[in-house]
Amino acid sequence: QSALTQPASVSGSPGQSITISCTGTSSDVGGYNYVSWYQQYPGKAPKLMIYDVVKRPSGVSNRFSGSKSGNTASLTISGLQAEDEADYYCSSYTSSSAWVFGGGTKLTVL
Amino acid sequence: QVQLQESGPRLVKPSETLSLTCTVSGGSVSSGSYYWNWIRQPPGKGLEWIGYIYYSGSTNYNPSLKSRVTISVDTSKNQFSLKVSSVTAADTAVYHCARAGGFDSSGHYYYGMDVWGQGTTVTVSS
Repeated sequence: QSALTQPASVSGSPGQSITISCTGTSSDVGGYNYVSWYQQYPGKAPKLMIYDVVKRPSGVSNRFSGSKSGNTASLTISGLQAEDEADYYCSSYTSSSAWVFGGGTKLTVL
Repeated sequence: QVQLQESGPRLVKPSETLSLTCTVSGGSVSSGSYYWNWIRQPPGKGLEWIGYIYYSGSTNYNPSLKSRVTISVDTSKNQFSLKVSSVTAADTAVYHCARAGGFDSSGHYYYGMDVWGQGTTVTVSS
């Protein structure tokens, strides 16, 4: 299984919106509505931010939203804040009953 | 509230077997419809899914590691474990255990990894 494709980095100014893409195949992202997004600060464990493409766990800000079109999923963060600066990973359940992660995207808040 | 904690040797010699344990507290490793996963992150790199053991005891592994990996469960200790054989420097990483699956507040089954251990750094070196 190949890793999902994410941009290495994105940036935005406070208050702006940014979108991170995550491209896979019909065997993972495109075939199932089981895409998740994780936020990771340096030296910390990943935190689930979005699951099943569009759903937010309890306690996650509604500034975080997810979507999907074909084989590409996206994470949008609106009203960017300094605390959003972190690494973001997408993940998908696959046709092999396995999981695959994206390479990660470093978000910089300017 | 379920918590996970990884433990095991921090230094492993090349060609030997890496062994880690994840202790589950606040819940049972054998209850519910959960997948108990291992994920690793080499220094400065991204997350790599290693494999899981399902609550029923079935397993599935990343094809790239399948020949060297074994995940097992000890229900009496409420733990699940990872073994990676014939390690090399490329296996140096932070190893996390994580829970996936379950039912959300609306009764919908989900596949996100909602509970993670803090991670443990394993270095492969002589």
